[in-house]
Amino acid sequence: QSALTQPASVSGSPGQSITISCTGTSSDVGAYNYVCWYQQHPGKAPKLLIFEINYRPSGVSNRFSGSKSGNTASLTISGLQAEDEADYYCSSYTSSNSWVFGGGTKVTVL
Amino acid sequence: QLQLQESGPGLVKASETLSLTCTVFGGSISSSSYNWGWIRQPPGKGLEWIGHGYNGGSTYYNPSLKSRVTISVDTSKKQFSLKLSSVTAADTAVYYCARGGRASGGLDYWGQGTLVTVSS
Repeated sequence: QSALTQPASVSGSPGQSITISCTGTSSDVGAYNYVCWYQQHPGKAPKLLIFEINYRPSGVSNRFSGSKSGNTASLTISGLQAEDEADYYCSSYTSSNSWVFGGGTKVTVL
Repeated sequence: QLQLQESGPGLVKASETLSLTCTVFGGSISSSSYNWGWIRQPPGKGLEWIGHGYNGGSTYYNPSLKSRVTISVDTSKKQFSLKLSSVTAADTAVYYCARGGRASGGLDYWGQGTLVTVSS
């Protein structure tokens, strides 16, 4: 299975909003509402930010939001903060009864 | 607070079998509402889903790794394990164990990760 497609990097200034895209196919992102987003700081384990396209686990800031249109899911970070500088990964359930991750996006806070 | 901890050899020889164990602390591993899985990350690269298993024995694997992977869940020991056979240098990675929701699919608890290097 091929990895989902994410931009390699996205940047923004503090307070701004940025959006990270995650493009798959009709066999994964387009077929299911099981899309998740993770944040990973250097040397740390990933942290779940979003599940089922747009639901946040308890304790995750409401500055993080998700959406989906067709084969593309998106993560929006509003009110960008220095602590948001990290790698972000999307993942999707697939028709092969498996999960696939995106290649990852490095977010830089200018 | 649920905690997961990976353990196992940090160095494995090429062509041999990589074996890791994840021990769960602070919670039950018996619930059918969750799956117990493995994800890896080669140095400097992205995440790769390896597979997961359930208490009842059902397992699901990455199609590209399926022929080499076995995941099992031992509720009596509150552990689950990963075996990856016929390893090569391409299997060198940080290996994470994690809990996933059966309904949501989100991986909400992770271990700290353990680096496994495959040597020739």
